[in-house]
Amino acid sequence: GAVVSQHPSRVICKSGTSVKIECRSLDFQATTMFWYRQFPKQSLMLMATSNEGSKATYEQGVEKDKFLINHASLTLSTLTVTSAHPEDSSFYICSPSEATSGFEQYFGPGTRLTVT
Amino acid sequence: AQTVTQSQPEMSVQEAETVTLSCTYDTSENNYYLFWYKQPPSRQMILVIRQEAYKQQNATENRFSVNFQKAAKSFSLKISDSQLGDTAMYFCAFMKGYSGNTPLVFGKGTRLSVIA
Repeated sequence: GAVVSQHPSRVICKSGTSVKIECRSLDFQATTMFWYRQFPKQSLMLMATSNEGSKATYEQGVEKDKFLINHASLTLSTLTVTSAHPEDSSFYICSPSEATSGFEQYFGPGTRLTVT
Repeated sequence: AQTVTQSQPEMSVQEAETVTLSCTYDTSENNYYLFWYKQPPSRQMILVIRQEAYKQQNATENRFSVNFQKAAKSFSLKISDSQLGDTAMYFCAFMKGYSGNTPLVFGKGTRLSVIA
């Protein structure tokens, strides 16, 4: 099956700082990348969708200037949480999609962000 | 917009017994996939089973099977011969279309505990 990595797996940062999360598809090319957020004991909620080389499309209520998404290549996408606050503490999961996969969504192992 | 409803926040089952998790969804789409994902304590999303909307035959994967009732918009998961390793959160998910380039819409999840 497809291999997806996320780095870091967990990060603690101070309020006001920025954090970058990397998502790599190791054995396939991700034409589309989905970023989800999962608060404790809740479900996954879509934050944004990006296609390689294009600007990301954000879901309602997700601040595009706060959550910067870069999908510059078919194997790497990054999510940068800028000026993080405690309410941004969450579990962030990337989900790269391969054009030929048809029906399976792959998921990264997730990044646990804690903002103090 | 599509919605997915899981009405059982928590369930438990004795080891080796059978359990059924419920899921209903609402959509006006004709072409879509339905999925069940397992999220163990590691938080890695694991695909359990998927069902194409155009297929009348219920999908099965070893001990896992679904009861797909398209007219009723119901998609339940049956786990037979439950094992301790089945203990996890289970999410029902909907994907519009068959391209793989649309995001998943998740239900709120059901926490399943398998008891020895």
